Amino acid sequence: AQSVTQLGSHVSVSEGALVLLRCNYSSSVPPYLFWYVQYPNQGLQLLLKYTSAATLVKGINGFEAEFKKSETSFHLTKPSAHMSDAAEYFCAVSGSGTYKYIFGTGTRLKVLA
Amino acid sequence: NAGVTQTPKFQVLKTGQSMTLQCAQDMNHNSMYWYRQDPGMGLRLIYYSASEGTTDKGEVPNGYNVSRLNKREFSLRLESAAPSQTSVYFCASLLGEMNTEAFFGQGTRLTVV
Repeated sequence: AQSVTQLGSHVSVSEGALVLLRCNYSSSVPPYLFWYVQYPNQGLQLLLKYTSAATLVKGINGFEAEFKKSETSFHLTKPSAHMSDAAEYFCAVSGSGTYKYIFGTGTRLKVLA
Repeated sequence: NAGVTQTPKFQVLKTGQSMTLQCAQDMNHNSMYWYRQDPGMGLRLIYYSASEGTTDKGEVPNGYNVSRLNKREFSLRLESAAPSQTSVYFCASLLGEMNTEAFFGQGTRLTVV
């Protein structure tokens, strides 16, 4: 069975500070991992994805994530937060041989001026 | 390209009424998904269809039925709506390879009174 756990339903950072959003996964097959962002009253958009090619993945808007198999983690980071980063972020997992695409509970990021 | 289109965008139902949420994609994707989004619970998978002619239960299928009418369309039916089904419903599609991006509709906000 596949699942993802996002620690922290709400995270606040100051503008210009480091953003760190946590995601741990569980998967019975080699996982594919994703981060999505949702702005108010919109659907989800892909930020980045891990598909086994490289453990450090760079995405849009300056975000990146590192796949750590030993820690079963795929945390999302951004060196310097911008006001426009305020949104809800979702980690997701799928895997070869399964068509299930499972999301975490989300982390709402607030950026303080 | 419209991407993934959901109708309606908003709906209010009385307890016990039935309705069908429509979803259509024009990207020639094989796999389609229905999720519900509730505060603090993220996106939970209701049903999915790996390909035309197949459907499978997700995490929270009770009270719902689906139909994969053709490759483009995947509908979600509530036979007898309950207040617990008040939620925002999202349809998504992806090409079929599980390491690819899921594309989302704009959502249907359903209230059951």
